[in-house]
Amino acid sequence: EPEVTQTPSHQVTQMGQEVILRCVPISNHLYFYWYRQILGQKVEFLVSFYNNEISEKSEIFDDQFSVERPDGSNFTLKIRSTKLEDSAMYFCASTNAWRPYNEQFFGPGTRLTVL
Amino acid sequence: DAKTTQPPSMDCAEGRAANLPCNHSTISGNEYVYWYRQIHSQGPQYIIHGLKNNETNEMASLIITEDRKSSTLILPHATLRDTAVYYCIVRVGLGDDKIIFGKGTRLHILP
Repeated sequence: EPEVTQTPSHQVTQMGQEVILRCVPISNHLYFYWYRQILGQKVEFLVSFYNNEISEKSEIFDDQFSVERPDGSNFTLKIRSTKLEDSAMYFCASTNAWRPYNEQFFGPGTRLTVL
Repeated sequence: DAKTTQPPSMDCAEGRAANLPCNHSTISGNEYVYWYRQIHSQGPQYIIHGLKNNETNEMASLIITEDRKSSTLILPHATLRDTAVYYCIVRVGLGDDKIIFGKGTRLHILP
């Protein structure tokens, strides 16, 4: 069964450093998403991406964040200058627009720890 | 904000049916009821969705009241692996519609 994959599973970085989180969505999917979950809190929407541009972004997704689909398979989330409060699990998701409903498939997540 | 209300936690004995309630009194006519679950530290997993009819798949059954203001997710024979946080979500579910997660119900399956 196809699945969303994410790398790395755990990323440790120093405050102020740039990080890139990588995702490989399911191959025939067209819509891509990033969500995050701070430890003990709700899963929060960050951004949706379709047709090589951002469809929607939340208030969390400020100028420090960017997304990119550099080739036909990868979908990345970049944080330019990490803060302590960026420590969280980051989940990538994708969906196939041609289904009659929008079932999103989530990856296993990347745990980001900012020191 | 999430448009649903769920109990924060529930217990269920292994092998019994787990019935998870959800209230969504402000649901619109074009909105579906979706259920996802999140096993500890893993990504959320889609379970089932419905519009107004009851639905069943290999994982669960979804019972939606006639007025669509509430629903119940049924796991027919709960196992220890069903221990997770279960999210009831109301959304249109087309295009790039994002998911807004609430706090969900933490289901404990007791051996």
